[in-house]
Amino acid sequence: SQTIHQWPATLVQPVGSPLSLECTVEGTSNPNLYWYRQAAGRGLQLLFYSVGIGQISSEVPQNLSASRPQDRQFILSSKKLLLSDSGFYLCASGAGVNTGELFFGEGSRLTVL
Amino acid sequence: QQQVKQSPQSLIVQKGGISIINCAYENTAFDYFPWYQQFPGKGPALLIAIRPDVSEKKEGRFTISFNKSAKQFSLHIMDSQPGDSATYFCAASMRSGANSKLTFGKGITLSVRP
Repeated sequence: SQTIHQWPATLVQPVGSPLSLECTVEGTSNPNLYWYRQAAGRGLQLLFYSVGIGQISSEVPQNLSASRPQDRQFILSSKKLLLSDSGFYLCASGAGVNTGELFFGEGSRLTVL
Repeated sequence: QQQVKQSPQSLIVQKGGISIINCAYENTAFDYFPWYQQFPGKGPALLIAIRPDVSEKKEGRFTISFNKSAKQFSLHIMDSQPGDSATYFCAASMRSGANSKLTFGKGITLSVRP
């Protein structure tokens, strides 16, 4: 099975500062990759997904961006953080044909002050 | 518009009891219905999943019941244990196509009392 690595695990950043969250995947090649944000009472919100290197689709307009510089690397970024960017960010990798089977990382908890 | 709705919002069950979590969907094109389990501070993990060509799937103490005409499916946890205390998400997706994505419900917190 796949292993999803995310870092940093926790991050406290001031408003207006930049952000970079990194995700790497082991145990598969050419996966579909996803960034989700989890807020209390709102479930898992899909932010971005990628079907290949350099291919990024955005699900919701926001202050964040994503990039996929390598097959198994997915990065979530922001140039200037907002208070509303606080949350628990989860990277996930698809299992291929059965796209419902996602493997999630341990998450990165971001607090913007 | 929320395409996947879970109920109840929270659930407390005594050890040994049956936990039942319900999920309703709107998009009839969905054809894959997984349940994910998430412990505090961790990422969700696939628990069990069902496709619409069967009405029930059982794995150990966990059973999914699926009602295609009502566009509903539910998770039953038999002999619930304190270790089952977690957040449970139902989800749905269309398997076909490179752009298929999971749509999640809001999640439900299950507490199993010893």
